[in-house]
Amino acid sequence: DAKTTQPPSMDCAEGRAANLPCNHSTISGNEYVYWYRQIHSQGPQYIIHGLKNNETNEMASLIITEDRKSSTLILPHATLRDTAVYYCIVRVTYSSASKIIFGSGTRLSIRP
Amino acid sequence: GAVVSQHPSRVICKSGTSVKIECRSLDFQATTMFWYRQFPKQSLMLMATSNEGSKATYEQGVEKDKFLINHASLTLSTLTVTSAHPEDSSFYICSAELRNTEAFFGQGTRLTVV
Repeated sequence: DAKTTQPPSMDCAEGRAANLPCNHSTISGNEYVYWYRQIHSQGPQYIIHGLKNNETNEMASLIITEDRKSSTLILPHATLRDTAVYYCIVRVTYSSASKIIFGSGTRLSIRP
Repeated sequence: GAVVSQHPSRVICKSGTSVKIECRSLDFQATTMFWYRQFPKQSLMLMATSNEGSKATYEQGVEKDKFLINHASLTLSTLTVTSAHPEDSSFYICSAELRNTEAFFGQGTRLTVV
């Protein structure tokens, strides 16, 4: 079973920041938080991942709470092309036995 | 980022025939590949984990004799749906990873069994 909980849907105005929450209250000390997104009828796309520090790349920022029980993915300036299902996943890295289990994700709609 | 290519992107086959789907990591050697299936409006469901040179590990409820997985090299894994039936129609997605990196996903294969 997925170890994360996300709201089923959210919407955001184009040009504004989209903040997608994720709860992972049972996360273990060696598990990373990963975010992927899936645009309709395509394979998932990697966005970002982190362990405990906040992370930023060209696509997004990841804010992880100090207790690591929740995180927020931030898309700083959402565009219509960001409309997708966003998945938050926790998994152990550095292990060939680590699976990638998807939950139901958050369907993000960007309105013009 | 790394590229994972699936082929074909779409396939239609007759009931009772077998279909092979290829998953290639184009610019890295994948130590592990994963196969998923996805029904409309649902999330991805993990079918099996495939490590190069060893037998695939199937998730509970996935028939290993129906969904044959071969991971013969560090850049290629194949999924063969044997004796396909209409209920096997789905979106099949592979992902590949090199140890210590994030996993990258193929573009998916839409299988329609008629």
